[in-house]
Amino acid sequence: SQQGEEDPQALSIQEGENATMNCSYKTSINNLQWYRQNSGRGLVHLILIRSNEREKHSGRLRVTLDTSKKSSSLLITASRAADTASYFCATDLDQGAQKLVFGQGTRLTINP
Amino acid sequence: DGGITQSPKYLFRKEGQNVTLSCEQNLNHDAMYWYRQDPGQGLRLIYYSQIVNDFQKGDIAEGYSVSREKKESFPLTVTSAQKNPTAFYLCASSISWSSYEQYFGPGTRLTVT
Repeated sequence: SQQGEEDPQALSIQEGENATMNCSYKTSINNLQWYRQNSGRGLVHLILIRSNEREKHSGRLRVTLDTSKKSSSLLITASRAADTASYFCATDLDQGAQKLVFGQGTRLTINP
Repeated sequence: DGGITQSPKYLFRKEGQNVTLSCEQNLNHDAMYWYRQDPGQGLRLIYYSQIVNDFQKGDIAEGYSVSREKKESFPLTVTSAQKNPTAFYLCASSISWSSYEQYFGPGTRLTVT
């Protein structure tokens, strides 16, 4: 079952610009996480936002969560070439299972 | 990639052979997970283990088996019953089953011909 879906599937911007990725999900959640994956590598945890939080910041990352719309966004400000990667949202199922369900990801390319 | 190692990075097998993928962590984490990733896709959960000597099927367990005899080790066997085993396999761990943040290994790319 596909809980989280990212949008867009691919995004290409110039270095220095801001990048925004969106994630929509279907059922209620306890929290939502964003992960980054460089090509052919494992995932790296970026940020976790709880269902009672609306916005969270970490360095150049800003995550928002709108539980009424069942959506989240990840904003990367002042993008760098090193930000080129795939970004995934992951949600838990608020049914006590505590398993993460990953979306298909947004492939971000930062052009120098 | 934290304190999780997966070996080998690339693995090639002939169809009909079982193959075991290694996953070791030195983070003292209780929970461990195996995911499968196909090109351009997200991760799908194969098996997970909340604690040593315990494991549960995930969403796509058919054709796979695991063991969790030691806290630091969670090997995955891809059996000949798995109809489409070629994929990128990722192992992860978390402090406990109630901890949401997962730490991932570098992955093993399995090619079966």
